[in-house]
Amino acid sequence: DQQVKQNSPSLSVQEGRISILNCDYTNSMFDYFLWYKKYPAEGPTFLISISSIKDKNEDGRFTVFLNKSAKHLSLHIVPSQPGDSAVYFCAAAPNSGGYQKVTFGTGTKLQVIP
Amino acid sequence: DGGITQSPKYLFRKEGQNVTLSCEQNLNHDAMYWYRQDPGQGLRLIYYSQIVNDFQKGDIAEGYSVSREKKESFPLTVTSAQKNPTAFYLCASNVRGVTEAFFGQGTRLTVV
Repeated sequence: DQQVKQNSPSLSVQEGRISILNCDYTNSMFDYFLWYKKYPAEGPTFLISISSIKDKNEDGRFTVFLNKSAKHLSLHIVPSQPGDSAVYFCAAAPNSGGYQKVTFGTGTKLQVIP
Repeated sequence: DGGITQSPKYLFRKEGQNVTLSCEQNLNHDAMYWYRQDPGQGLRLIYYSQIVNDFQKGDIAEGYSVSREKKESFPLTVTSAQKNPTAFYLCASNVRGVTEAFFGQGTRLTVV
């Protein structure tokens, strides 16, 4: 049972435009959400997170939006750059219990076309 | 220059052989984790350790073993009992209780 779903395996966006990566979750106990970026043959790097007490968190070109009632979050990248081309993983966890409780989505491969 | 180091980056082994993947961190993190990534799947937790000399099974521990004799080191042994060992293995660490984790660069294990 996939508790964190990224239904789009891939996404292509023109350089300079907005990239929107979506993530849905089913477990209502999740209240902390993370996005990781991963280049081929490398480990994921943490990008941005959001707690369920917020509906938006922004860090430079990256913004994460959380809609708790819809159990949906999205990552917006504006403007998109070729170096953003990578696989993006959404992850979710309950607020207590530690990192071992983090559940990862299957990833969305973003290609930013110059 | 703090970080988490996995070695080797690529590893080839014959079927039926045990193999040990190395993971070392100099971030002074208490907790360490091993994940497996397969194509089209999210990261799945194999084992984790929150303190030296203690570790717990994750979601897919069968066919794997670990040790945590030092805070800095958390090696993973892929045993011959693991039915599908070919995968990309990732080690991570964090400060216990904090949700973000730092990942190593991964080891791609191919069993032939």
